[in-house]
Amino acid sequence: AQSVTQLGSHVSVSEGALVLLRCNYSSSVPPYLFWYVQYPNQGLQLLLKYTSAATLVKGINGFEAEFKKSETSFHLTKPSAHMSDAAEYFCAVPFYTGRRALTFGSGTRLQVQP
Amino acid sequence: DAGVTQSPTHLIKTRGQHVTLRCSPISGHKSVSWYQQVLGQGPQFIFQYYEKEERGRGNFPDRFSARQFPNYSSELNVNALLLGDSALYLCASDRGSETQYFGPGTRLLVL
Repeated sequence: AQSVTQLGSHVSVSEGALVLLRCNYSSSVPPYLFWYVQYPNQGLQLLLKYTSAATLVKGINGFEAEFKKSETSFHLTKPSAHMSDAAEYFCAVPFYTGRRALTFGSGTRLQVQP
Repeated sequence: DAGVTQSPTHLIKTRGQHVTLRCSPISGHKSVSWYQQVLGQGPQFIFQYYEKEERGRGNFPDRFSARQFPNYSSELNVNALLLGDSALYLCASDRGSETQYFGPGTRLLVL
């Protein structure tokens, strides 16, 4: 089964600073990779997805992620943090190759300081 | 279009009771998946249904069961509730593609 690891359970940045949230996948190259965001007391919202068509993926709210096979990584970045970005972020990969059910990382809580 | 809807939003049960959670997928989506999210953790896959058939199951005990109806809505049932079943239960739907869309969840508290 595929898996993902998110390094850093909490990340704190100042408003306007670069956001970098880390995600590494297990050794086999997955067909898809996802980033979801969860605001307090809400469900998950899709930020972006990687489908092998392009290594740099742009998502909603100014976020983007780059797939790096050599590093088995799919880190999420945003050039300038906004207070409204404060939330929990999850990286996810298909449970099994060819299946749509997802396995998630443990999440990273992003705090944005004024 | 309306998103994935779930009911109820919150409920409180006691140990040993049974609970039924409901999910309506996005119109046109034939696949529904259920996830359990314990506080402070990522969602864990429980079941996936497509065209009313179970297509996948995560590592959960037989106390957990689900079904999908002809209109593609779904129910998740949990019997003999344990304190550890307290969690946010998320439903997601998809149209048979790789992207899942999540509902707001049902928050279950077992006392």
